[in-house]
Amino acid sequence: AQSVTQPDIHITVSEGASLELRCNYSYGATPYLFWYVQSPGQGLQLLLKYFSGDTLVQGIKGFEAEFKRSQSSFNLRKPSVHWSDAAEYFCAVGARDTGKLIFGQGTTLQVKP
Amino acid sequence: DGGITQSPKYLFRKEGQNVTLSCEQNLNHDAMYWYRQDPGQGLRLIYYSQIVNDFQKGDIAEGYSVSREKKESFPLTVTSAQKNPTAFYLCATRPEGAGYGYTFGSGTRLTVV
Repeated sequence: AQSVTQPDIHITVSEGASLELRCNYSYGATPYLFWYVQSPGQGLQLLLKYFSGDTLVQGIKGFEAEFKRSQSSFNLRKPSVHWSDAAEYFCAVGARDTGKLIFGQGTTLQVKP
Repeated sequence: DGGITQSPKYLFRKEGQNVTLSCEQNLNHDAMYWYRQDPGQGLRLIYYSQIVNDFQKGDIAEGYSVSREKKESFPLTVTSAQKNPTAFYLCATRPEGAGYGYTFGSGTRLTVV
């Protein structure tokens, strides 16, 4: 069955520190992979996506993610976190036939001053 | 500007009532989706529609109903059969091509009183 696991429910980092949010997926073929960000009480905004090709993808707001097929992972990274990055982050895997997305449970990021 | 409009932003329902959540889009996207979000559970798919006059159940369709009479509109009705409807509801659309990811509305928070 298709699934997405975000092992970290809550992460706290200091402003200016680097960030890595983990995402592992289970899917029978090469999936589409996405990272979304959600501010409280708002909808989700797409940060970046992977279709094929270069396994390191760049997104908005200085985020990047690396697809590692051997580890079934798609971890999100940012070299220097800003206070405005505090939010909830969702990893998702997309079915190539229907376009349906399956989401992980989310990781809440807190940024310390 | 193109986008997705969900209304109302907040909705209160009495026990035994049906309520309808609105989702309107002017992005000219064919596919539309309804997700339910509960704390710590990520997003769960309720219903989706890939074309007008056609829709499919998602993972948690019981107690919900939808219609897709127009491309622009995909309303969700929460019926009295839904025993625990208090949640945040998100509507999303996707253009043709499964790899594009979703565009989300800003959500409706439904509370049973």
